Amino acid sequence: AQKVTQAQTEISVVEKEDVTLDCVYETRDTTYYLFWYKQPPSGELVFLIRRNSFDEQNEISGRYSWNFQKSTSSFNFTITASQVVDSAVYFCALSEAGVFTGANSKLTFGKGITLSVRP
Amino acid sequence: DTGVSQNPRHKITKRGQNVTFRCDPISEHNRLYWYRQTLGQGPEFLTYFQNEAQLEKSRLLSDRFSAERPKGSFSTLEIQRTEQGDSAMYLCASTSDRVMLSPLHFGNGTRLTVT
Repeated sequence: AQKVTQAQTEISVVEKEDVTLDCVYETRDTTYYLFWYKQPPSGELVFLIRRNSFDEQNEISGRYSWNFQKSTSSFNFTITASQVVDSAVYFCALSEAGVFTGANSKLTFGKGITLSVRP
Repeated sequence: DTGVSQNPRHKITKRGQNVTFRCDPISEHNRLYWYRQTLGQGPEFLTYFQNEAQLEKSRLLSDRFSAERPKGSFSTLEIQRTEQGDSAMYLCASTSDRVMLSPLHFGNGTRLTVT
């Protein structure tokens, strides 16, 4: 069975601070995908990134960066120089990568981390 | 691209009543998913469709829940004889398996409150 653990429940930082959101996952699949989604107060889940299990290169996109470490089953997300608009709930998710479903199979989500960025 | 649209945004109903939610996916997306999200939790998978075929249902989907996607476009999720435990946000998402590695696009959800 797949499982995603986001041990942090709430994080509060002051604007311009860096913040890291942790994600640990469990799966028996050898091929899988990891995701981060952002859920602002409006409720819509916004896709941020997808990583496949064969690609352990870290990725940077603007103020966002992701650290994937297969050895520790972790896929952590860092926001550099946080802004008030980053305030949201962030979800880490995992999906299998079946032959017929590819990267679009059902997602298993963690419980989410509520990030509050204060001015 | 107008995104995934869900109606209504909010629904308040009395226990025992039936409710139906609608999801309009992004037009070229052939896959449609339903998830349920309760307070303080991540979304949980309920079911998904490939075109009009319902290919998988979660154990969370009791006999009181039924989902349809009759023409492979919009989908409806019906809950019969609602219970207070059904109170949650119901999220719809769509994607295309014709576009390599297309991510799931979620709607704003329908928040159900059962009194």
